[in-house]
Amino acid sequence: DAGVIQSPRHEVTEMGQEVTLRCKPISGHNSLFWYRQTMMRGLELLIYFNNNVPIDDSGMPEDRFSAKMPNASFSTLKIQPSEPRDSAVYFCASSLALGKVQYFGPGTRLTVT
Amino acid sequence: AQTVTQSQPEMSVQEAETVTLSCTYDTSESDYYLFWYKQPPSRQMILVIRQEAYKQQNATENRFSVNFQKAAKSFSLKISDSQLGDAAMYFCAFFERGHNYQLIWGAGTKLIIKP
Repeated sequence: DAGVIQSPRHEVTEMGQEVTLRCKPISGHNSLFWYRQTMMRGLELLIYFNNNVPIDDSGMPEDRFSAKMPNASFSTLKIQPSEPRDSAVYFCASSLALGKVQYFGPGTRLTVT
Repeated sequence: AQTVTQSQPEMSVQEAETVTLSCTYDTSESDYYLFWYKQPPSRQMILVIRQEAYKQQNATENRFSVNFQKAAKSFSLKISDSQLGDAAMYFCAFFERGHNYQLIWGAGTKLIIKP
């Protein structure tokens, strides 16, 4: 199994630009999670989906952040416009179902200058 | 409120020795799952071991084992025969079944392996 796939692995962009992070969950997994990791705040859950439906987006910091899951094998996290304080590592994780073990992707390191 | 506390920001151990990382948590529920994840410098989050709260037997995975004390709400990780590749940040986490399944994370413990 290829595991959770994230792209890009690194993203450097200028303030004000739109950023799109992508995730392909493990095949057969029905739940998908987006996390953000910073030194100051640790790991934060941003949003999660079950069967492609957003269940809880209370962790999304601002309206500048949006996430979609158009099908079972793809999800995006978009930041528009990006700001320097959005610089972090963004992880996508998937699980067989809610309440099952979450498997993480390699993360996307985002730097906003 | 659900919380996870890892009281050791950093630990070091000599290669081939045994080290124990501590974790305590707070929940009012009786049905939950506990996890230890490892994050090496590559930053990949890797599941190390998991424990169902309803199971009394402590989980083991090769050199990794836990000491689960449900009454004390303690979930420590023991690494035996430490290897250089064990150097990483270790995160303790749990979620309550039926309670939105959100993982609650500790702040992490940095484990240093001395050759």
